[in-house]
Amino acid sequence: GEDVEQSLFLSVREGDSSVINCTYTDSSSTYLYWYKQEPGAGLQLLTYIFSNMDMKQDQRLTVLLNKKDKHLSLRIADTQTGDSAIYFCAESPKGNTGGFKTIFGAGTRLFVKA
Amino acid sequence: DVKVTQSSRYLVKRTGEKVFLECVQDMDHENMFWYRQDPGLGLRLIYFSYDVKMKEKGDIPEGYSVSREKKERFSLILESASTNQTSMYLCASSLTRNNEQFFGPGTRLTVL
Repeated sequence: GEDVEQSLFLSVREGDSSVINCTYTDSSSTYLYWYKQEPGAGLQLLTYIFSNMDMKQDQRLTVLLNKKDKHLSLRIADTQTGDSAIYFCAESPKGNTGGFKTIFGAGTRLFVKA
Repeated sequence: DVKVTQSSRYLVKRTGEKVFLECVQDMDHENMFWYRQDPGLGLRLIYFSYDVKMKEKGDIPEGYSVSREKKERFSLILESASTNQTSMYLCASSLTRNNEQFFGPGTRLTVL
């Protein structure tokens, strides 16, 4: 079945790089996403990658996609205390509902130490 | 600026009460979703709707129903609230194009 897995907790020091990893099961997904949830707020799309790409870079964010291993990662360079949040990996598998259903992982809580 | 609003940020209800959670989006999105978020479990899809008056069950629909009478509004109904429905409820909407979902701030529901 459809499943997205990620570790629940990551702690880094301010200024270091953070790498959040995720594995997914459905190879039919056209898009893979990273969402960010700050305390007391809903989720907000951080970045996404097409399944035909291996890498996407956007300022401090780098997304790597390994389709063979169904592995997605998010790297945050020069991590700041404001990056402390929960990060959700997600995929949109194709199906008879038109492919717009999104499967979310459990979320990785990133804790940045000053 | 895109916006998804939810009727309440915090709600406290008693077991057996009927509960309505309202969600409104101003982006003319076709798709709307209701999730519940629990620690360690992430987001679980309760129901979604891809058009007015259309609805489909998600992964955990038991104990819930939904209503979508207008494109911009998607309501979640707990017919008879139970303590195991204490949770954070998140509403989202999306266009089919790239499936980016826009989330509301959430409603934290406590059932006593």
